[in-house]
Amino acid sequence: GAGVSQSPSNKVTEKGKDVELRCDPISGHTALYWYRQSLGQGLEFLIYFQGNSAPDKSGLPSDRFSAERTGGSVSTLTIQRTQQEDSAVYLCASSPPVSGKSTDTQYFGPGTRLTVL
Amino acid sequence: QQQVKQSPQSLIVQKGGISIINCAYENTAFDYFPWYQQFPGKGPALLIAIRPDVSEKKEGRFTISFNKSAKQFSLHIMDSQPGDSATYFCAASMWLFGGATNKLIFGTGTLLAVQP
Repeated sequence: GAGVSQSPSNKVTEKGKDVELRCDPISGHTALYWYRQSLGQGLEFLIYFQGNSAPDKSGLPSDRFSAERTGGSVSTLTIQRTQQEDSAVYLCASSPPVSGKSTDTQYFGPGTRLTVL
Repeated sequence: QQQVKQSPQSLIVQKGGISIINCAYENTAFDYFPWYQQFPGKGPALLIAIRPDVSEKKEGRFTISFNKSAKQFSLHIMDSQPGDSATYFCAASMWLFGGATNKLIFGTGTLLAVQP
Protein backbone atom coordinates (compact mmCIF):
# COMPACT_ATOMS: atom_id res chain seq x y z
CA GLY A 1 0.00 0.00 0.00
CA ALA A 2 0.90 3.66 -0.13
CA GLY A 3 3.40 4.96 2.37
CA VAL A 4 3.63 8.31 4.10
CA SER A 5 3.69 11.13 1.59
CA GLN A 6 4.88 14.69 2.09
CA SER A 7 4.60 17.80 0.01
CA PRO A 8 6.30 19.74 -1.30
CA SER A 9 9.48 17.72 -1.61
CA ASN A 10 11.50 20.92 -1.75
CA LYS A 11 10.64 24.43 -0.62
CA VAL A 12 12.80 27.52 -1.02
CA THR A 13 11.57 30.64 0.73
CA GLU A 14 12.79 34.03 1.77
CA LYS A 15 13.49 34.96 5.35
CA GLY A 16 10.37 36.29 7.03
CA LYS A 17 7.87 34.41 4.87
CA ASP A 18 5.44 31.79 6.18
CA VAL A 19 5.53 28.19 4.91
CA GLU A 20 3.19 25.23 5.16
CA LEU A 21 4.37 21.66 4.94
CA ARG A 22 1.92 18.83 4.40
CA CYS A 23 1.92 15.21 5.53
CA ASP A 24 -0.41 12.42 4.40
CA PRO A 25 -0.01 9.48 6.77
CA ILE A 26 -0.63 5.83 5.99
CA SER A 27 -4.36 5.12 5.96
CA GLY A 28 -5.61 3.95 9.35
CA HIS A 29 -2.60 5.21 11.27
CA THR A 30 -3.82 7.19 14.24
CA ALA A 31 -0.45 8.48 15.43
CA LEU A 32 1.48 11.10 13.50
CA TYR A 33 4.84 12.68 14.27
CA TRP A 34 6.89 15.53 12.93
CA TYR A 35 10.67 15.50 13.17
CA ARG A 36 13.35 17.86 11.90
CA GLN A 37 16.65 16.72 10.46
CA SER A 38 19.37 19.33 10.32
CA LEU A 39 22.87 18.82 9.00
CA GLY A 40 24.93 17.39 11.81
CA GLN A 41 22.03 17.50 14.27
CA GLY A 42 20.39 14.15 13.71
CA LEU A 43 16.63 13.81 13.95
CA GLU A 44 14.84 16.07 16.40
CA PHE A 45 11.26 15.44 17.57
CA LEU A 46 8.83 18.31 17.06
CA ILE A 47 5.25 17.22 17.78
CA TYR A 48 3.09 14.11 18.20
CA PHE A 49 -0.57 13.71 17.26
CA GLN A 50 -2.92 11.00 18.43
CA GLY A 51 -5.97 11.45 16.28
CA ASN A 52 -6.54 15.18 15.95
CA SER A 53 -5.11 16.12 19.33
CA ALA A 54 -1.46 16.82 20.12
CA PRO A 55 -0.59 15.48 23.58
CA ASP A 56 3.11 16.19 23.07
CA LYS A 57 4.25 19.48 21.55
CA SER A 58 7.44 19.60 23.58
CA GLY A 59 9.77 19.68 20.58
CA LEU A 60 8.41 22.75 18.83
CA PRO A 61 11.37 25.17 18.94
CA SER A 62 9.41 28.42 19.17
CA ASP A 63 5.93 29.90 18.88
CA ARG A 64 6.62 30.45 15.18
CA PHE A 65 6.03 26.73 14.73
CA SER A 66 2.55 25.23 14.82
CA ALA A 67 0.86 22.13 13.50
CA GLU A 68 -2.62 20.81 13.09
CA ARG A 69 -4.23 17.60 12.03
CA THR A 70 -7.70 17.29 10.62
CA GLY A 71 -10.01 14.29 10.18
CA GLY A 72 -7.45 12.12 11.91
CA SER A 73 -5.46 12.13 8.70
CA VAL A 74 -3.63 14.96 6.97
CA SER A 75 -1.35 17.17 9.02
CA THR A 76 0.10 20.58 8.25
CA LEU A 77 3.22 22.03 9.87
CA THR A 78 3.33 25.82 9.64
CA ILE A 79 6.39 27.94 10.20
CA GLN A 80 5.76 31.65 10.47
CA ARG A 81 8.33 34.37 9.79
CA THR A 82 10.92 31.83 8.69
CA GLN A 83 14.53 32.25 9.75
CA GLN A 84 17.67 30.84 8.17
CA GLU A 85 18.12 28.46 11.09
CA ASP A 86 14.80 26.84 10.12
CA SER A 87 16.51 25.36 7.04
CA ALA A 88 16.33 21.59 7.44
CA VAL A 89 14.54 18.47 6.22
CA TYR A 90 11.17 18.13 7.90
CA LEU A 91 10.10 14.51 8.25
CA CYS A 92 6.69 13.14 9.02
CA ALA A 93 6.04 9.67 10.41
CA SER A 94 2.92 7.72 11.23
CA SER A 95 2.19 4.59 13.22
CA PRO A 96 -0.82 2.34 13.75
CA PRO A 97 -3.08 2.54 16.82
CA VAL A 98 -1.29 1.94 20.12
CA SER A 99 -1.87 -1.65 21.22
CA GLY A 100 -1.48 -2.09 24.93
CA LYS A 101 1.94 -1.40 26.37
CA SER A 102 3.88 -1.12 23.19
CA THR A 103 5.55 1.31 20.88
CA ASP A 104 4.53 0.71 17.33
CA THR A 105 6.81 1.14 14.36
CA GLN A 106 7.01 4.65 12.99
CA TYR A 107 6.94 4.82 9.19
CA PHE A 108 8.65 7.87 7.77
CA GLY A 109 7.88 9.89 4.68
CA PRO A 110 10.61 11.17 2.33
CA GLY A 111 10.64 14.60 3.95
CA THR A 112 10.38 18.20 2.80
CA ARG A 113 13.68 20.00 2.32
CA LEU A 114 13.20 23.61 3.44
CA THR A 115 15.73 26.24 2.48
CA VAL A 116 15.37 29.73 3.91
CA LEU A 117 17.39 32.33 2.01
CA GLN B 1 18.83 12.36 30.42
CA GLN B 2 16.88 12.31 27.17
CA GLN B 3 19.99 11.95 25.02
CA VAL B 4 21.14 8.95 23.07
CA LYS B 5 24.84 9.02 22.25
CA GLN B 6 25.97 7.27 19.08
CA SER B 7 29.41 6.37 17.78
CA PRO B 8 31.27 6.36 15.50
CA GLN B 9 30.18 9.30 13.38
CA SER B 10 31.41 7.52 10.26
CA LEU B 11 32.62 4.04 9.45
CA ILE B 12 34.37 2.44 6.49
CA VAL B 13 34.21 -1.33 6.18
CA GLN B 14 35.38 -3.73 3.51
CA LYS B 15 32.83 -5.90 1.76
CA GLY B 16 32.24 -9.04 3.79
CA GLY B 17 33.40 -7.41 7.02
CA ILE B 18 31.48 -6.68 10.21
CA SER B 19 30.11 -3.19 10.85
CA ILE B 20 29.56 -2.24 14.49
CA ILE B 21 27.76 0.89 15.67
CA ASN B 22 27.33 1.71 19.33
CA CYS B 23 24.80 3.70 21.31
CA ALA B 24 24.43 4.64 24.95
CA TYR B 25 21.56 6.13 26.92
CA GLU B 26 20.95 7.51 30.41
CA ASN B 27 17.20 7.32 30.97
CA THR B 28 16.31 3.90 32.40
CA ALA B 29 12.65 4.52 31.54
CA PHE B 30 13.40 3.88 27.86
CA ASP B 31 11.86 0.56 26.87
CA TYR B 32 12.13 0.39 23.12
CA PHE B 33 15.32 0.67 21.08
CA PRO B 34 14.99 0.70 17.28
CA TRP B 35 17.61 1.14 14.61
CA TYR B 36 16.75 3.06 11.48
CA GLN B 37 18.50 3.00 8.10
CA GLN B 38 18.43 6.06 5.86
CA PHE B 39 19.51 6.33 2.23
CA PRO B 40 20.19 9.75 0.66
CA GLY B 41 16.99 11.57 -0.24
CA LYS B 42 14.80 9.07 1.62
CA GLY B 43 13.17 8.98 5.00
CA PRO B 44 14.52 6.66 7.69
CA ALA B 45 13.22 3.08 7.62
CA LEU B 46 13.04 0.72 10.57
CA LEU B 47 15.76 -1.92 10.37
CA ILE B 48 15.47 -3.83 13.62
CA ALA B 49 14.34 -3.11 17.18
CA ILE B 50 14.75 -4.57 20.66
CA ARG B 51 13.16 -4.27 24.09
CA PRO B 52 15.24 -4.41 27.29
CA ASP B 53 13.95 -7.80 28.39
CA VAL B 54 16.23 -9.53 25.86
CA SER B 55 19.99 -9.22 25.38
CA GLU B 56 20.17 -9.94 21.67
CA LYS B 57 17.97 -9.92 18.61
CA LYS B 58 18.99 -11.17 15.20
CA GLU B 59 17.29 -10.62 11.84
CA GLY B 60 19.27 -11.92 8.91
CA ARG B 61 22.65 -10.18 8.82
CA PHE B 62 21.59 -7.59 11.40
CA THR B 63 21.94 -8.13 15.16
CA ILE B 64 21.23 -5.85 18.10
CA SER B 65 23.17 -6.53 21.28
CA PHE B 66 21.69 -4.95 24.40
CA ASN B 67 23.43 -4.44 27.76
CA LYS B 68 20.86 -3.18 30.23
CA SER B 69 23.26 -2.74 33.16
CA ALA B 70 25.66 -0.67 31.04
CA LYS B 71 22.81 1.17 29.32
CA GLN B 72 24.33 0.44 25.94
CA PHE B 73 23.19 -1.22 22.77
CA SER B 74 24.86 -1.87 19.46
CA LEU B 75 24.10 -2.83 15.88
CA HIS B 76 26.21 -5.48 14.18
CA ILE B 77 26.00 -5.91 10.41
CA MET B 78 27.56 -9.21 9.39
CA ASP B 79 28.94 -9.81 5.89
CA SER B 80 28.58 -6.11 5.09
CA GLN B 81 27.65 -5.33 1.48
CA PRO B 82 28.01 -2.17 -0.62
CA GLY B 83 24.19 -1.93 -0.61
CA ASP B 84 24.37 -1.47 3.17
CA SER B 85 26.07 1.90 2.64
CA ALA B 86 23.72 4.35 4.33
CA THR B 87 23.29 6.39 7.49
CA TYR B 88 22.22 4.43 10.55
CA PHE B 89 20.42 5.95 13.51
CA CYS B 90 19.83 4.37 16.88
CA ALA B 91 16.85 5.61 18.85
CA ALA B 92 15.05 5.13 22.13
CA SER B 93 11.50 5.56 23.26
CA MET B 94 9.33 4.99 26.28
CA TRP B 95 5.71 4.00 26.57
CA LEU B 96 3.74 6.39 28.72
CA PHE B 97 0.36 5.55 30.20
CA GLY B 98 -2.43 6.20 27.75
CA GLY B 99 0.03 6.56 24.87
CA ALA B 100 0.69 10.17 25.84
CA THR B 101 3.79 10.14 23.70
CA ASN B 102 5.82 7.62 21.75
CA LYS B 103 8.37 10.07 20.46
CA LEU B 104 11.70 8.67 19.37
CA ILE B 105 14.93 10.14 20.72
CA PHE B 106 17.54 9.65 18.02
CA GLY B 107 21.29 9.34 18.10
CA THR B 108 23.27 11.61 15.78
CA GLY B 109 23.76 8.97 13.11
CA THR B 110 26.61 6.92 11.63
CA LEU B 111 27.51 7.18 7.98
CA LEU B 112 28.53 3.69 6.85
CA ALA B 113 30.47 3.12 3.65
CA VAL B 114 31.07 -0.46 2.57
CA GLN B 115 33.89 -0.67 0.04
CA PRO B 116 33.68 -3.34 -2.68
